[in-house]
Amino acid sequence: KQEVTQIPAALSVPEGENLVLNCSFTDSAIYNLQWFRQDPGKGLTSLLLIQSSQREQTSGRLNASLDKSSGRSTLYIAASQPGDSATYLCAVRPPLQAGNTGKLIFGQGTTLQVKP
Amino acid sequence: GAGVSQSPRYKVAKRGQDVALRCDPISGHVSLFWYQQALGQGPEFLTYFQNEAQLDKSGLPSDRFFAERPEGSVSTLKIQRTQQEDSAVYLCASSLAPRRDSSYNEQFFGPGTRLTVL
Repeated sequence: KQEVTQIPAALSVPEGENLVLNCSFTDSAIYNLQWFRQDPGKGLTSLLLIQSSQREQTSGRLNASLDKSSGRSTLYIAASQPGDSATYLCAVRPPLQAGNTGKLIFGQGTTLQVKP
Repeated sequence: GAGVSQSPRYKVAKRGQDVALRCDPISGHVSLFWYQQALGQGPEFLTYFQNEAQLDKSGLPSDRFFAERPEGSVSTLKIQRTQQEDSAVYLCASSLAPRRDSSYNEQFFGPGTRLTVL
């Protein structure tokens, strides 16, 4: 059974710092991995999606890497800002095969606070 | 407003009441997912629809939970005889189609319905 773990559960950093959020998964057979942002009381906003054949994806100050063989992904946030404060969730999608409907398996999230 | 919408945004129910939560997916999206997110946890899969067909309901926690999508667009998640442990945020997501191209598979989430059972 696929399990997704995110460490740390919470993180507080001063503004301007570069930071790394970690995500690990137990089964390396995945179709893709997605990073989401969730603001309090809001839904999920997709940040980056990495296909299983890819090593990394970048969007602005965000960079996500994927090491499928070791079951790890990292989300790197450069020059953090107070507006980056939110909960970050990673989710894996099992391979496309009979019986797999595309549901996402989520980690518990890392709650980030960036202090001005 | 071309995103996924959900209603109501907040629902308070007394234990034992029935509730119905609505999801309006992005127009033309074939796939629709329901997730349950308990406080401080990541979302957990409940059920999946491809058009009007419910292809996976393995995540529904009990037979008190029922979902439908009769015309392949709007979906309703119904919870009968609510219990306190049903208190959570219920998220709906849709994607274009179940195909190998990632652009078709990306799931777009609604804002969720926060259910509180007293």
